[in-house]
Amino acid sequence: DVVMTQTPVSLPVSLGGQASISCRSSQSLVHSNGNTYLHWYLQKPGQSPQLLIYRVSNRFSGVPDRFSGSGSGTDFTLKISRVEPEDLGDYYCLQSTHFPFTFGSGTKLEIK
Amino acid sequence: EVKLVESGGGLVQPGRSLKLSCAASGFNFNDYWMGWVRQAPGKGLEWIGEINKDSSTINYTPSLKDKFTISRDNAQNTLYLQMSKLGSEDTAIYYCASRPSRYMAYWGQGTLVTVSS
Repeated sequence: DVVMTQTPVSLPVSLGGQASISCRSSQSLVHSNGNTYLHWYLQKPGQSPQLLIYRVSNRFSGVPDRFSGSGSGTDFTLKISRVEPEDLGDYYCLQSTHFPFTFGSGTKLEIK
Repeated sequence: EVKLVESGGGLVQPGRSLKLSCAASGFNFNDYWMGWVRQAPGKGLEWIGEINKDSSTINYTPSLKDKFTISRDNAQNTLYLQMSKLGSEDTAIYYCASRPSRYMAYWGQGTLVTVSS
């Protein structure tokens, strides 16, 4: 299985500040069709996960442009600028290039 | 509005079976792959598997393939997860999700399964 290593585990941030979360895969996430299937989710406390970014850098419907995704191959980053209280929660990356699909272990974004 | 509502969770004894349902509305269910993900208490997310539009392709995470069966009824706009030989390690919240293009887009609120004697 592809192992997704997410860092940091915990990320204290100041409101209005910037946050950066890393996700590294144990093998390349470039599919044979040329697409890279790396996605990002936010799970707010007591809620189900919600999709933020799909295929590395595409914001899902309704996601503010404060969220941006980048990366290639095995190394990916989610950046959140101007952090707001509603951004707090657990962030997960997901790879769906290789079966079985696998999630990162999560990053908890919390107030400094 | 896309809506996914899981049901069927609850307390079940070890070794028993349970079938979860996911009722879909607000989108054309027939046009979408669907998937299941679970989350043990206080833990991260685990992908269980997925099913294509006409049930001709079903993929599972290997460790669950012999215990779990995914199916769907397009006439009823409903996704199912049949779970057998349940153990304490299967205690989790189970989420269904729509899968428009090799990622899970919309998720239900989840249903809690507790395996305990």
